[in-house]
Amino acid sequence: EPEVTQTPSHQVTQMGQEVILRCVPISNHLYFYWYRQILGQKVEFLVSFYNNEISEKSEIFDDQFSVERPDGSNFTLKIRSTKLEDSAMYFCASSEGLGGHEQFFGPGTRLTVL
Amino acid sequence: GEDVEQSLFLSVREGDSSVINCTYTDSSSTYLYWYKQEPGAGLQLLTYIFSNMDMKQDQRLTVLLNKKDKHLSLRIADTQTGDSAIYFCAETPLYNQGGKLIFGQGTELSVKP
Repeated sequence: EPEVTQTPSHQVTQMGQEVILRCVPISNHLYFYWYRQILGQKVEFLVSFYNNEISEKSEIFDDQFSVERPDGSNFTLKIRSTKLEDSAMYFCASSEGLGGHEQFFGPGTRLTVL
Repeated sequence: GEDVEQSLFLSVREGDSSVINCTYTDSSSTYLYWYKQEPGAGLQLLTYIFSNMDMKQDQRLTVLLNKKDKHLSLRIADTQTGDSAIYFCAETPLYNQGGKLIFGQGTELSVKP
């Protein structure tokens, strides 16, 4: 069964460093998403991406964040200068369409900023 | 603003029914979802309901939607120990063009044998 994969499963970085979180969405999906979950808090939407551009982004997704689909398979989230409060589980998701189409989630990358 | 709220914990005995509740604030919601998260795994869609429906049944799962009270519930019949997980309620606002899901904080279901 097709699935969304994410690497690495755990990333530890120093404050101020750049990190790139990688995702491989399901191959025939057209919509891609990033969410994050700070420990003990809700899963929060960060950004959605369609047709090689951002469809929607949340207030959290400021200039420190960027997304890219560098080739036909990967979807990346870059955080330019990490802060302590960026420590969270980051989930990638993809879907065939919007509305009632299921968003398939990856297992997440745990980012720890020291 | 948009908000989705759930109680944090629910404990039931194996074989009993579980009812997980959710309230939401956005009256323009189009789809409401239930996701399940097992330890170390991503979120898995269990079921969803369109906002013009009152009820949806899928095997052991029953979703009830009370639009007036903005209340959504998930009933799991004959709960098994394998149902132990965190259950997230989520909604998609009507105006949303980007597919954003707004999640509750999740209800941790513990099933005791």
